[in-house]
Amino acid sequence: SQQGEEDPQALSIQEGENATMNCSYKTSINNLQWYRQNSGRGLVHLILIRSNEREKHSGRLRVTLDTSKKSSSLLITASRAADTASYFCATAFGGGGNKLTFGTGTQLKVEL
Amino acid sequence: SAVISQKPSRDICQRGTSLTIQCQVDSQVTMMFWYRQQPGQSLTLIATANQGSEATYESGFVIDKFPISRPNLTFSTLTVSNMSPEDSSIYLCSVVGAEEKLFFGSGTQLSVL
Repeated sequence: SQQGEEDPQALSIQEGENATMNCSYKTSINNLQWYRQNSGRGLVHLILIRSNEREKHSGRLRVTLDTSKKSSSLLITASRAADTASYFCATAFGGGGNKLTFGTGTQLKVEL
Repeated sequence: SAVISQKPSRDICQRGTSLTIQCQVDSQVTMMFWYRQQPGQSLTLIATANQGSEATYESGFVIDKFPISRPNLTFSTLTVSNMSPEDSSIYLCSVVGAEEKLFFGSGTQLSVL
């Protein structure tokens, strides 16, 4: 299976702290994307990083990609209670077209 | 971006029955994807639905169990046939938008008794 592994599986932090989630994958990729899911509903795209990029920022989000280690991390700075959700990485691999393979997910809980 | 309307949002069904899930997109798209998310799990791709051709199923999923229709470029249905409790999951449709991002419907939470 090409499914990515994410860690931690669950993360609980206080509001204002930073949250870091990690994703590892198995095959060469075209890009890696991060998605957020609230309460088991539809996923929302957060950020995409291409295989030739090492770091990308979007608001309070920072994503890094290390293709030599086949890993990525998502950092959410200054977390808020509204950031409570599940976060998934997803990889698009060569020859896969637009199909994405999703990681196992990290459940983030931000407490007041 | 694409706006996807998916229905029903949830349903409780009896074993042995079938449920058809609908997805309507606000723009024309070539490919639509159907995913399953079992309780507490990640998303698994069921099939890719192309307009005008048979859907392409992933390993472990077959047309008899999950027939898909794609009558035009804005609409698709997924049927979960002859349901068993193991089919209890969230089913999600999605499309590819600009810059290879996926846009998702709000999901159908299915419980099979």
